[in-house]
Amino acid sequence: AQSVAQPEDQVNVAEGNPLTVKCTYSVSGNPYLFWYVQYPNRGLQFLLKYITGDNLVKGSYGFEAEFNKSQTSFHLKKPSALVSDSALYFCAVRGMDSNYQLIWGAGTKLIIKP
Amino acid sequence: SAVISQKPSRDICQRGTSLTIQCQVDSQVTMMFWYRQQPGQSLTLIATANQGSEATYESGFVIDKFPISRPNLTFSTLTVSNMSPEDSSIYLCSFHDRVKNIQYFGAGTRLSVL
Repeated sequence: AQSVAQPEDQVNVAEGNPLTVKCTYSVSGNPYLFWYVQYPNRGLQFLLKYITGDNLVKGSYGFEAEFNKSQTSFHLKKPSALVSDSALYFCAVRGMDSNYQLIWGAGTKLIIKP
Repeated sequence: SAVISQKPSRDICQRGTSLTIQCQVDSQVTMMFWYRQQPGQSLTLIATANQGSEATYESGFVIDKFPISRPNLTFSTLTVSNMSPEDSSIYLCSFHDRVKNIQYFGAGTRLSVL
């Protein structure tokens, strides 16, 4: 069965420090991987995706993610956190035969402290 | 990318009534999706709506409770029927962008049922 795990309910980081939000997945075949961010009382905003190619993908707002096939992971990273990065982050995966439906992680609340 | 607008943004409804949520995309899209989300939690897919065919519902969701219309390639509605307090949630619509291979989301409808 296809699944996505975000092992941390919450991640706390001091402003200016690097941040990592973890995501692991299980899917048959080659995965399509996505990160979305949700600010309070807002819809989901697309951050970045991995389909094929370079394992390090860069996205919006200075975020990047590294696809690691052997570890089935797709961790979200940013070199220097901003207070405005505080939000709820979702990892999602789509298998090649999924009819475009996404499987969602539980979400990780990221709190950046000044 | 296409712009997706969703309305109403929020509503407070009485038990036993129905609410119709509208989702408009500014370009033609084949696949649209409806989700439910409890605040701070992950997304649950209600149904996939393709133009010209009946919506496909996920386990636990039925057409009588959540009828969906998809009259053309730019518009869809979700009705929450005979509401109870358990239907209080955030409802999100989205569409799949085939060119970019990304799912984009509306801002959501925050529903409270009294």
